[in-house]
Amino acid sequence: ETGVTQSPTHLIKTRGQQVTLRCSSQSGHNTVSWYQQALGQGPQFIFQYYREEENGRGNFPPRFSGLQFPNYSSELNVNALELDDSALYLCATRGGTGELFFGEGSRLTVL
Amino acid sequence: GQQLNQSPQSMFIQEGEDVSMNCTSSSIFNTWLWYKQDPGEGPVLLIALYKAGELTSNGRLTAQFGITRKDSFLNISASIPSDVGIYFCAGQEGGNAGNMLTFGGGTRLMVKP
Repeated sequence: ETGVTQSPTHLIKTRGQQVTLRCSSQSGHNTVSWYQQALGQGPQFIFQYYREEENGRGNFPPRFSGLQFPNYSSELNVNALELDDSALYLCATRGGTGELFFGEGSRLTVL
Repeated sequence: GQQLNQSPQSMFIQEGEDVSMNCTSSSIFNTWLWYKQDPGEGPVLLIALYKAGELTSNGRLTAQFGITRKDSFLNISASIPSDVGIYFCAGQEGGNAGNMLTFGGGTRLMVKP
C-alpha cells in the first residue's frame, strides 16, 4: 500500500478526444511525477511537478500537460488522443530518500 | 537518451531455484531501484541502492549497486510461486534530473510449482 491513489482505473476514449487522469497521495508529498507504460515495456517518464510547477519533462509532446494543486494532488491531461497513447499511466510520489512510490495506474485505451 | 539493458527478458524456473537478473547502463546513476509489477498493478518498490558497491537484502531478495555505477543485479533465493511477475530495474541520476527514473525493459519471471 503506497498511499498513492489514481482515478479512473480504466477508461476508453476515441482518437482526437481529450482525457484527464487524477492522482492523490495520502501523505501530501510535494513532488509528483507521471509515467507512461506501454504494453510489454518499462515505464517512461512524462514529467514531474514540484510545488505546483513543472520542473522536469521527458520526451513527450506538448499535448501532454499536467497540473499540481495546493493539496499536492495532480492531473495528467492528454489532448488530441492518438492510438499510440493507449497505455498504463502511472503517478508516483517521492519518498524521503528519493525513491518513488507508484499508484496502481490508469489504463487508457484509445480506439 | 539513457538506455538501461535488463536481462534476461524472461525466465521460467522451478520453485525453490535461485534467480539472478541484471541491468547495465551506458551512463552513471546515483541511485538504483528494483521494482516488481503484478498484472494490472503499479510497480512496487523492492530494494533501493544509494552507494556504489552497496549490497542490500530484503528477505530472500539481494541487490547490489555496481562499483562503476553503471550496473546492478537482483538475486532471489529459493523462489516461490508468488515471486511470479515482472521485475524492473530503474536508475535515478538525481541532481538536475530530479526524480526522473529510467527503467529497464523488465524481466518476466515464471515459477513452476
